[in-house]
Amino acid sequence: GAGVSQSPSNKVTEKGKDVELRCDPISGHTALYWYRQSLGQGLEFLIYFQGNSAPDKSGLPSDRFSAERTGGSVSTLTIQRTQQEDSAVYLCASSSGPETDTQYFGPGTRLTVL
Amino acid sequence: GQQLNQSPQSMFIQEGEDVSMNCTSSSIFNTWLWYKQDPGEGPVLLIALYKAGELTSNGRLTAQFGITRKDSFLNISASIPSDVGIYFCAGQLGYGGSQGNLIFGKGTKLSVKP
Repeated sequence: GAGVSQSPSNKVTEKGKDVELRCDPISGHTALYWYRQSLGQGLEFLIYFQGNSAPDKSGLPSDRFSAERTGGSVSTLTIQRTQQEDSAVYLCASSSGPETDTQYFGPGTRLTVL
Repeated sequence: GQQLNQSPQSMFIQEGEDVSMNCTSSSIFNTWLWYKQDPGEGPVLLIALYKAGELTSNGRLTAQFGITRKDSFLNISASIPSDVGIYFCAGQLGYGGSQGNLIFGKGTKLSVKP
């Protein structure tokens, strides 16, 4: 079916506002990852969901960041009280399960905090 | 967070030339992956390596998993204009959870020689 989709593709917000970023994984994929890519940098792991298990939040940079995954499918990454250093591309990836390394990435959401 | 050392940071290619880039780490990885990212897109998996010493090809791409499991290289033979983009190496400790998340290098940007 379709690949990983993310929305919005671009988001500009003011410092201090909350933002929500959405990820639709590939249908049937049980594993979902969020990464952050700052300008000129590699990707930085944020959070991982696998099925109904508790998410691995070890990569979240602060308590302003949180994520949910409803019904084992769509995921939302929320950043509260955004700061300028939060500006980055946020990428979502899914894989068919924990036994595979092949993560398929979405196009990302470019977040700009003014 | 932890990152891989990827070099070179950037390089210019002329059509027909061979290209080489590599990644090193102070940590051992069980899987090495090479991704390519085009502007406005998420990374796309090129080659996955699972065993120390493994040499794998995908068309004009060849990658090797270092014997020590702390390094990998990617070669592109007879480069063509569509090879331009950013190439990332990524290491994975294992599968699932925090073991499954990818640790990325900062990327090698390939551009066309002016």
